[in-house]
Amino acid sequence: DAGVIQSPRHEVTEMGQEVTLRCKPISGHNSLFWYRQTMMRGLELLIYFNNNVPIDDSGMPEDRFSAKMPNASFSTLKIQPSEPRDSAVYFCASRGGGIQYFGPGTRLLVL
Amino acid sequence: QKEVEQDPGPLSVPEGAIVSLNCTYSNSAFQYFMWYRQYSRKGPELLMYTYSSGNKEDGRFTAQVDKSSKYISLFIRDSQPSDSATYLCAMHGTDKLIFGTGTRLQVFP
Repeated sequence: DAGVIQSPRHEVTEMGQEVTLRCKPISGHNSLFWYRQTMMRGLELLIYFNNNVPIDDSGMPEDRFSAKMPNASFSTLKIQPSEPRDSAVYFCASRGGGIQYFGPGTRLLVL
Repeated sequence: QKEVEQDPGPLSVPEGAIVSLNCTYSNSAFQYFMWYRQYSRKGPELLMYTYSSGNKEDGRFTAQVDKSSKYISLFIRDSQPSDSATYLCAMHGTDKLIFGTGTRLQVFP
């Protein structure tokens, strides 16, 4: 299995632009998690899905952030409009057998 | 107060040293405890997984849980330069993991 796949791996954009991050979970995993990691705050859970349904989005910072999971093999995290404080590494993880497997992350820089 | 507290380090040790990494937590309902290892510019990967109190050993790594003190530890014996990474403790809440901020470890030859 290829593991969790994320794209793009790096994204540089200007403040105010829309950013879309993509994730393909491991086949057969029913839960998907989006995290954000910064030096100051560590790894923060933004939102997670069970069977494609959002269960807990209390970690989503504000309305500029939205996430969707239209099917079991694809999820997106969108930031619109982006701000410099959104600069971070965004990880997607899927869960199987009680264990979360992380993707390689998307490194986002908002100028 | 954060639910999980972890010293960010950095911790720098010579090759062959015994390393002790620790986390404290406040929620007595946590039952599952994990250690993830994260190499630079990579995603975290699961290293050790324990349930409730006690010790678990896997090669050079030992995970220890003391629920009465709300304290977990990861010991690395005979540390190697390849162990240089950030180590994150994680605890299972209702349906999600609560992570510590991670301890950066550097093992020098």
